[in-house]
Amino acid sequence: AQSVSQHNHHVILSEAASLELGCNYSYGGTVNLFWYVQYPGQHLQLLLKYFSGDPLVKGIKGFEAEFIKSKFSFNLRKPSVQWSDTAEYFCAVNDQGGKLIFGQGTELSVKP
Amino acid sequence: DAGVIQSPRHEVTEMGQEVTLRCKPISGHNSLFWYRQTMMRGLELLIYFNNNVPIDDSGMPEDRFSAKMPNASFSTLKIQPSEPRDSAVYFCASSDGQGTDTQYFGPGTRLTVL
Repeated sequence: AQSVSQHNHHVILSEAASLELGCNYSYGGTVNLFWYVQYPGQHLQLLLKYFSGDPLVKGIKGFEAEFIKSKFSFNLRKPSVQWSDTAEYFCAVNDQGGKLIFGQGTELSVKP
Repeated sequence: DAGVIQSPRHEVTEMGQEVTLRCKPISGHNSLFWYRQTMMRGLELLIYFNNNVPIDDSGMPEDRFSAKMPNASFSTLKIQPSEPRDSAVYFCASSDGQGTDTQYFGPGTRLTVL
């Protein structure tokens, strides 16, 4: 079965620092990949998604992610984080039958 | 579109009581998912439906949990009897089942069992 691994459990950055959160999935084939964000006390919101085409995907709020098929990776990036980016970030990949398999999440804390 | 609607937003109950959580998916979506989120276990898929039919309930923790989807616009998750370890945030999500599998989450129900 498909699995998703997020490398960092908790990341602490200062404002304006660059961000990269790692995400790897376990096996290839045709995959749909997602990053969701959960702000404190809120529900998961879709940040960006990849289905096909350009492996560099741009999402909301200046986030982007790059799909590298050979590495089974879909890392999330942002050149300059803001305090308002403090949240938990979840990577997900589709599994058979329409399910999404979520990673364990990475908590991002941005210091003002 | 109103998005996925869940009720109640907060529920506080005593151990042994029955709890019913409700979800209205986005209109036109044919897949519905129930998740539980806790600090200890993270985000767990409990059950999901496709065209109102339960497809995978392997995540349902035990027989105290049951879920139904009587029609395309309504689903319930019931816990009977509830226990303190059931305290969590329960999310409902829906997707349009058109192959992209994008899920849209509701605001969640924060359940506290005393």
